Amino acid sequence: AQKITQTQPGMFVQEKEAVTLDCTYDTSDQSYGLFWYKQPSSGEMIFLIYQGSYDEQNATEGRYSLNFQKARKSANLVISASQLGDSAMYFCAMREGGSNYQLIWGAGTKLIIKP
Amino acid sequence: SAVISQKPSRDICQRGTSLTIQCQVDSQVTMMFWYRQQPGQSLTLIATANQGSEATYESGFVIDKFPISRPNLTFSTLTVSNMSPEDSSIYLCSVGTSGLSYEQYFGPGTRLTVT
Repeated sequence: AQKITQTQPGMFVQEKEAVTLDCTYDTSDQSYGLFWYKQPSSGEMIFLIYQGSYDEQNATEGRYSLNFQKARKSANLVISASQLGDSAMYFCAMREGGSNYQLIWGAGTKLIIKP
Repeated sequence: SAVISQKPSRDICQRGTSLTIQCQVDSQVTMMFWYRQQPGQSLTLIATANQGSEATYESGFVIDKFPISRPNLTFSTLTVSNMSPEDSSIYLCSVGTSGLSYEQYFGPGTRLTVT
């Protein structure tokens, strides 16, 4: 079974609109961490935001926020006021507590911001 | 945060040859990870390289094909041996420290094309 599922292979969003990228996860661990990374066409992986399984508040970093719904096992990324530079691949990833700290990756969502 | 450089940034190689990719970090780190990202795909972990021990390879990856060195806490190399066109990918070096919530930092990647 997939541990990280990103159901949107691609999305088109108008500039300045908010966008939500979906991510659901599957784990039996009580302690785990969820991450979002951005990969522009240049190829580097850029860390965006982190949510711990015990964090009570949703994580926020500037225009990025993580909508963490633990009971539903979802960790959606919300980008407010999208910009042309947000066009990129976005990957959701999870680290389980007993996993030698390896990241488990989703398939990614390609986001294109339209002017 | 850690700053990671990779060499070469890209290369075009003939099948049957080998390429060694270097990863240099600006600070001492415990764990280094090597990933492969095939075109249009997510990241796949090749191996975890800890200083002073043999690299730990993931299922589907073997030392003869992807030998790894980790001579100190700031440097590692990955060799892609006896290359075939199926090895055409981006190879990414990543570093981290212990702990569930640590960010994993990535190098800029090496784009390899095998002809």
